[in-house]
Amino acid sequence: QKEVEQNSGPLSVPEGAIASLNCTYSDRGSQSFFWYRQYSGKSPELIMFIYSNGDKEDGRFTAQLNKASQYVSLLIRDSQPSDSATYLCVTYSSASKIIFGSGTRLSIRP
Amino acid sequence: KAGVTQTPRYLIKTRGQQVTLSCSPISGHRSVSWYQQTPGQGLQFLFEYFSETQRNKGNFPGRFSGRQFSNSRSEMNVSTLELGDSALYLCASSLELAGEETQYFGPGTRLLVL
Repeated sequence: QKEVEQNSGPLSVPEGAIASLNCTYSDRGSQSFFWYRQYSGKSPELIMFIYSNGDKEDGRFTAQLNKASQYVSLLIRDSQPSDSATYLCVTYSSASKIIFGSGTRLSIRP
Repeated sequence: KAGVTQTPRYLIKTRGQQVTLSCSPISGHRSVSWYQQTPGQGLQFLFEYFSETQRNKGNFPGRFSGRQFSNSRSEMNVSTLELGDSALYLCASSLELAGEETQYFGPGTRLLVL
């Protein structure tokens, strides 16, 4: 089992709809979770981080964390073509080792 | 504040050669991590340096090495290059005041081994 699992996609969402990106993790000791966006040929950039159970909203983005289910998600409302990118789910293990998911490719179709 | 910078941005080498890549973190950041990214393997952690000491290491052969200087700048070296070393090498820095913090990535060095 991978330490951080993401569906590789591509996930195709119509413009204006909600894109839902999901991530599961195996280490129950993981405490902090990050979502990075990476455009093709560019380096990853931070979208959001979340430490506590529940929802955290920032503009069109909402991160959701459920530690009991070991599940973290990223919702993108009013999806725009500029949201088309690969989204990386990242956490730290209980031994403080950083772990990257393999990423989900999101495509917003006009 | 300037972001993470990496030099060179592009590099072409041949098998058997060695290469040194450089990374300057954001001013005040003390932790520098290196990653290899390939289309097939995704983002793979190489190593992390903090206060000139290697703090974490990924599962890469000894041909991959690194170091950090007193000003937090870091270099990574790959010796005896192989075709499979062709990749985007990313450096990331973080402030490291409270442990698990946001990493800020540089633009990367794209290495092609012929």
